Amino acid sequence: DGGITQSPKYLFRKEGQNVTLSCEQNLNHDAMYWYRQDPGQGLRLIYYSQIVNDFQKGDIAEGYSVSREKKESFPLTVTSAQKNPTAFYLCASSTLRRGLGTGELFFGEGSRLTVL
Amino acid sequence: GEDVEQSLFLSVREGDSSVINCTYTDSSSTYLYWYKQEPGAGLQLLTYIFSNMDMKQDQRLTVLLNKKDKHLSLRIADTQTGDSAIYFCAESNNAGGTSYGKLTFGQGTILTVHP
Repeated sequence: DGGITQSPKYLFRKEGQNVTLSCEQNLNHDAMYWYRQDPGQGLRLIYYSQIVNDFQKGDIAEGYSVSREKKESFPLTVTSAQKNPTAFYLCASSTLRRGLGTGELFFGEGSRLTVL
Repeated sequence: GEDVEQSLFLSVREGDSSVINCTYTDSSSTYLYWYKQEPGAGLQLLTYIFSNMDMKQDQRLTVLLNKKDKHLSLRIADTQTGDSAIYFCAESNNAGGTSYGKLTFGQGTILTVHP
């Protein structure tokens, strides 16, 4: 079945450590996104990529990094520079080709990161 | 920039109708969406409406769009305990090529359904 797979579902990290969250999609979507969710604040865009080897900062990119070496994969690294990394992270993808949909986002199941 | 606002909480009794409201600021929004998020999970698209429509019905769901007031609502008829979740309103402006697929989300409304 086509979809988006995020791993791990739960992750614990000590302060000062970098961690990488995986996101893989087999929907043949051009665009991929990373959002951060905190209670009562909705979804905030961290980074997005519309094409391989290219990505743009979203609204809260500081302390995060991404790569897009393959169309199917868009890993997010939470670095030690991120001051408040404990959150629920959601990966999403969408088509960029008109006529194939409304541009809606398809989401993974999320990864919960807790910094100890 | 674009802004989308929702109330944070809604509590209803099982069998009643639920109405979740949303306001947005981008007058050039082309699509407006309602997503549902169950605890510990990702978001699932419930329904969407194109900006040139004022109503869309899909089984128990009715979406109303007042473009003049930039107000969107989601009505769930005969609400069930399984409808308890967070509901997100989102908008996109797909008129420009580079913005296709970029959505702006509201804060989410936590719907609690009591037996």
